[in-house]
Amino acid sequence: SAVISQKPSRDICQRGTSLTIQCQVDSQVTMMFWYRQQPGQSLTLIATANQGSEATYESGFVIDKFPISRPNLTFSTLTVSNMSPEDSSIYLCSGGGETQYFGPGTRLLVL
Amino acid sequence: ILNVEQSPQSLHVQEGDSTNFTCSFPSSNFYALHWYRWETAKSPEALFVMTLNGDEKKKGRISATLNTKEGYSYLYIKGSQPEDSATYLCAFASGGSNYKLTFGKGTLLTVNP
Repeated sequence: SAVISQKPSRDICQRGTSLTIQCQVDSQVTMMFWYRQQPGQSLTLIATANQGSEATYESGFVIDKFPISRPNLTFSTLTVSNMSPEDSSIYLCSGGGETQYFGPGTRLLVL
Repeated sequence: ILNVEQSPQSLHVQEGDSTNFTCSFPSSNFYALHWYRWETAKSPEALFVMTLNGDEKKKGRISATLNTKEGYSYLYIKGSQPEDSATYLCAFASGGSNYKLTFGKGTLLTVNP
């Protein structure tokens, strides 16, 4: 199994600003992913964080809005750029193999 | 667009009751079905990864079944306890990989003492 931590656990931000979320895994994992859960919605995959290359984004998500870094096999960051109230969500990272393990999430409120 | 549906949306039971929830998913291009248990402010906890039609898995008082031909999975909790209160999520993996998961909205279970 893998233990995943995220920072910050929660934040309240003003519209137009950006927030970077960090994800740390306690062991090397090949694949890391970023999800978000908007209020009343399901967990939705934003992108695959690829080590050493650009992230792969799902339909509806773009690099300019959600830039992702993956400098090594245990760490990734997601930035939520130029935030609006619609970005208020829980953001989770995951990693692993046959079983995907999740971080505890970052609860973001944009005013 | 893959559609994963969970029912009921929420459920209240008394301590000691047994309960079950449903997850329905596309029956084509199936790779695996995942169940997670998610308590507020904690990480979703992986319960089961199920891959074969007819699979049955058990972990303590929780068990799950899988029917890939008709596209559904059931999660059962026997003798519910207050600590079972959580949101139970199912996630569908397709395309030959467990890596990209499509989630349902979850079933929120509340167990009253």
